Amino acid sequence: EPEVTQTPSHQVTQMGQEVILRCVPISNHLYFYWYRQILGQKVEFLVSFYNNEISEKSEIFDDQFSVERPDGSNFTLKIRSTKLEDSAMYFCASRFMETQYFGPGTRLLVL
Amino acid sequence: QQQVKQSPQSLIVQKGGISIINCAYENTAFDYFPWYQQFPGKGPALLIAIRPDVSEKKEGRFTISFNKSAKQFSLHIMDSQPGDSATYFCAASRNAGNMLTFGGGTRLMVKP
Repeated sequence: EPEVTQTPSHQVTQMGQEVILRCVPISNHLYFYWYRQILGQKVEFLVSFYNNEISEKSEIFDDQFSVERPDGSNFTLKIRSTKLEDSAMYFCASRFMETQYFGPGTRLLVL
Repeated sequence: QQQVKQSPQSLIVQKGGISIINCAYENTAFDYFPWYQQFPGKGPALLIAIRPDVSEKKEGRFTISFNKSAKQFSLHIMDSQPGDSATYFCAASRNAGNMLTFGGGTRLMVKP
């Protein structure tokens, strides 16, 4: 069964550094999403992406964040200058019909 | 108005019992209500979902009950098993499946 994959599974970075989180959505899915989950809290929407542009974004998704689909398979989330509060699990999802399929996540720790 | 409130935060059920998790929403524009199951270290996985034009949907041991007038929906897990021990999230979206707004999660433990 096709799955959403994410790399790396874990990332540790210093405050102020740039990080890029990578996702490979399920092929033939057209809608892509990033969510985050701070430890012990609920899953929060960050951004949705369709037809090579952002279709919706939350208040969390400020100028420090950007998304890109650099080729036909990858979907990336970049955080330009990480803050301590960016420490969270980041989930990528892709959608077919109504269903969003989530990847296993990247655990980001900002020191 | 975008919030989805979920209760309880944690739930302990004996094997074979019924687990019930409740969610409430305010935004009447929501038109799709999925439940996700999440095991530790994994991403959320869709369990079952409902649209507001039906009051109940059943898939195996899992049932969603939906009350449109009360703006509430709930997940019932019949014959709960230890393998059901996980965190369950309700969610809601407008435009059927777009941006998901999640509830706070319920950590379910099913005791053998």
